[in-house]
Amino acid sequence: DTAVSQTPKYLVTQMGNDKSIKCEQNLGHDTMYWYKQDSKKFLKIMFSYNNKELIINETVPNRFSPKSPDKAHLNLHINSLELGDSAVYFCASSHSENIQYFGAGTRLSVL
Amino acid sequence: AQSVTQLGSHVSVSEGALVLLRCNYSSSVPPYLFWYVQYPNQGLQLLLKYTSAATLVKGINGFEAEFKKSETSFHLTKPSAHMSDAAEYFCAVSDQSGGFKTIFGAGTRLFVKA
Repeated sequence: DTAVSQTPKYLVTQMGNDKSIKCEQNLGHDTMYWYKQDSKKFLKIMFSYNNKELIINETVPNRFSPKSPDKAHLNLHINSLELGDSAVYFCASSHSENIQYFGAGTRLSVL
Repeated sequence: AQSVTQLGSHVSVSEGALVLLRCNYSSSVPPYLFWYVQYPNQGLQLLLKYTSAATLVKGINGFEAEFKKSETSFHLTKPSAHMSDAAEYFCAVSDQSGGFKTIFGAGTRLFVKA
């Protein structure tokens, strides 16, 4: 049983397209996150939801829109994709003490 | 505000040698501190955590770290490196007062030579 699962694992698309990444956790955690990891492995938080409420919204272009239909799911929709959006996107969840449980990542390539 | 600095983007050791990965943090509130490991094409996994109990923390795979408040450090060590330890290691900090944000360091790539 995968604790935090994201789909798809790979996403190759053209500039200007719209795409979504889905994330589900079966750990019963209240808090979920989206991170972006660039080609130099730098990991930056984008969004966080706690009990379906947006609590962290970093300086991210408004082309990125998270949605949390329930505590176990956090999806990321990206409009008008740009070359600079190419990265690995990680979903994570946490409970007490902010220990993060990561998904395997979605590698997005924008051509 | 919190921040993390990992000294050395790359560290290379021989198999069987001591592993030392350095991390310094800055936090205006009591911190939680973490080390995570990332193997190629995988997500990050927790190695160990400091949450204000013992200052010497033992983690998985023989790793340990010591919280030193006076030096604002949380260095990661392992007495004897294995080839399987080759990976990217991230130090991270969050605060104990209920904030949800975790700040990650830039990562240190560990190479293990045979």
